Amino acid sequence: NAGVMQNPRHLVRRRGQEARLRCSPMKGHSHVYWYRQLPEEGLKFMVYLQKENIIDESGMPKERFSAEFPKEGPSILRIQQVVRGDSAAYFCASSRDLSYEQYFGPGTRLTVT
Amino acid sequence: RKEVEQDPGPFNVPEGATVAFNCTYSNSASQSFFWYRQDCRKEPKLLMSVYSSGNEDGRFTAQLNRASQYISLLIRDSKLSDSATYLCVVNIRDDKIIFGKGTRLHILP
Repeated sequence: NAGVMQNPRHLVRRRGQEARLRCSPMKGHSHVYWYRQLPEEGLKFMVYLQKENIIDESGMPKERFSAEFPKEGPSILRIQQVVRGDSAAYFCASSRDLSYEQYFGPGTRLTVT
Repeated sequence: RKEVEQDPGPFNVPEGATVAFNCTYSNSASQSFFWYRQDCRKEPKLLMSVYSSGNEDGRFTAQLNRASQYISLLIRDSKLSDSATYLCVVNIRDDKIIFGKGTRLHILP
């Protein structure tokens, strides 16, 4: 049973470009969460999705960031017009239900140059 | 009061010692509780769930105190490999799960 998969593992973008981060949850998991972690800081919740629904996006910046979890395919976190401050590790996690444990992917390290 | 609060540490503890940290939560209706560990530049990994009756896994013991609204993690006979950041996680309601900022633990040889 494969764990949570994220790709790419490392992503370099120039300022103003778009970044697309993908997350495939564990088999049987329909809940997906995205977190951002800046260097030397804690995890910051961004968004919680179920298939085709955004349940809680209270941690998402109001502009340039969007997330989706379509009926088929991985969850996507999209960052438009990236800026240097977007450089961080972005972790995705999945769970069977909100009250169950979350399992994390290895993360995508985004570097904006 | 913050929704989930942890002492950031660092806790510097000699190898073989016992160490414990707490995590407080503000919502008395919180339902599920977990401890994760995160190594530097890696993803968080589930350490253990915290049940009302407590939970023990080898050298690790987790407990829940609902009256005082905190969970605890006790590590006995600490090893160098226990050095990590320990994250407390609380499911505070049906659509909200909160991660604490973590407690850093350094085990000293």
